[in-house]
Amino acid sequence: GDSVTQMEGPVTLSEEAFLTINCTYTATGYPSLFWYVQYPGEGLQLLLKATKADDKGSNKGFEATYRKETTSFHLEKGSVQVSDSAVYFCALSSMEYGNKLVFGAGTILRVKS
Amino acid sequence: GAVVSQHPSWVICKSGTSVKIECRSLDFQATTMFWYRQFPKQSLMLMATSNEGSKATYEQGVEKDKFLINHASLTLSTLTVTSAHPEDSSFYICSARITGQQPQHFGDGTRLSIL
Repeated sequence: GDSVTQMEGPVTLSEEAFLTINCTYTATGYPSLFWYVQYPGEGLQLLLKATKADDKGSNKGFEATYRKETTSFHLEKGSVQVSDSAVYFCALSSMEYGNKLVFGAGTILRVKS
Repeated sequence: GAVVSQHPSWVICKSGTSVKIECRSLDFQATTMFWYRQFPKQSLMLMATSNEGSKATYEQGVEKDKFLINHASLTLSTLTVTSAHPEDSSFYICSARITGQQPQHFGDGTRLSIL
């Protein structure tokens, strides 16, 4: 079945450092890909999305490119801030799976000042 | 836009009571809503898909008689945890999707603690 694999955390960075959180997926069809962010005690917020190969999603300085050849959707940010500390979830949705979201395990990001 | 409101945000109750959680789409119509459960430091586990005007579809291993879902209108779905016990304590999150569109929009979650 469809699945998402994320790099294990926690990821600890200093402020203004470069961020990469790896995400790879397995899907039978052509999924849409998402990054969600969860701040402590809150629900999930959509960070960015991409619906087809080579699409680049971007929001609040974060970017991710849908790479079909490597089945990846890595999240990047050039300069992180303390306020970016949160849990980041990579997810996919495909028609073959009834358009349900399949989540990765989540990656904790801690940014120190 | 695309705001989902979940209520209550936090509830503590005695073992054996039933607890109802509401999920509302405030500025859009949602024929489909989803209910998730999240354990500490873990990912979200889909419990069921709630469809307006019809029965919910439960994921394997989720007790439908324990977790009652009602989706009576295009903007409201409710999850009732019946005869709750301490093992039902968890963080419950709902999401809603604008009809025919992606992605899902999430509520802020409900932290349920059963004593």
